[in-house]
Amino acid sequence: EVQLVQSGAEVKKPGESLKISCEASGYSFTNYWIGWVRQMPGKGLEWMGVIYPGDSNTRYSPSFQGQVTISADKSISTAYLQWSSLKASDTAMYYCTRHVANYNIARWADYWGQGTLVTVSS
Amino acid sequence: DIVMTQSPDSLAVSLGERATINCKSSQSVFHSPNNKNYLAWYQQKPGQPPKVVIYWASNRESGVPDRFSGAGSGTDFTLTISSLQAEDVATYYCQEYYSSQLTFGGGTKLEIK
Repeated sequence: EVQLVQSGAEVKKPGESLKISCEASGYSFTNYWIGWVRQMPGKGLEWMGVIYPGDSNTRYSPSFQGQVTISADKSISTAYLQWSSLKASDTAMYYCTRHVANYNIARWADYWGQGTLVTVSS
Repeated sequence: DIVMTQSPDSLAVSLGERATINCKSSQSVFHSPNNKNYLAWYQQKPGQPPKVVIYWASNRESGVPDRFSGAGSGTDFTLTISSLQAEDVATYYCQEYYSSQLTFGGGTKLEIK
């Protein structure tokens, strides 16, 4: 059974750093793109980026390029999303996603994690 | 970048009636070499992560009831629920995966009238 289990909720202050995780199981981690989606309170879904753990190829939405870093550790089948300096506007639910690949490019998300709520407040 | 526009923003339909949600892309998401439209639909129930219901514009995900159907090609797509059930109350999102940006539409909130 495919599972994406995300790390727990975080409460941080502006300017702090943060790294949240997504542990995958039930499939070959290195053979699927894994990504992140942001959902701000009461708002819609925003695609942030994806990584292919097999070769660490990473793609970002222009809206998030330079704002976050996506990484993966294939030895423990875990993907990460990190911030070096959080802002109040980073307050949101973050979902990790596994993507079906076609022509070796990430397509739709067939599995989703349960979400990690990040709250940034002074 | 491809912009995905959904309509309406919200929709109230009586139980057992048909619900139709629209999604329009700013450029075609049809790939002629494989004759496929690169579009998915997701359902997000309150307090839950989204789940895919339709991919390749009209393929139903395994386990999704057959009252859900997707149609359209090029730039205009629809998600139809043929006979609305209480458990279908959710927000629905379209997403293109033709580009490398995987852009979502703004969402349509579906409620019971």
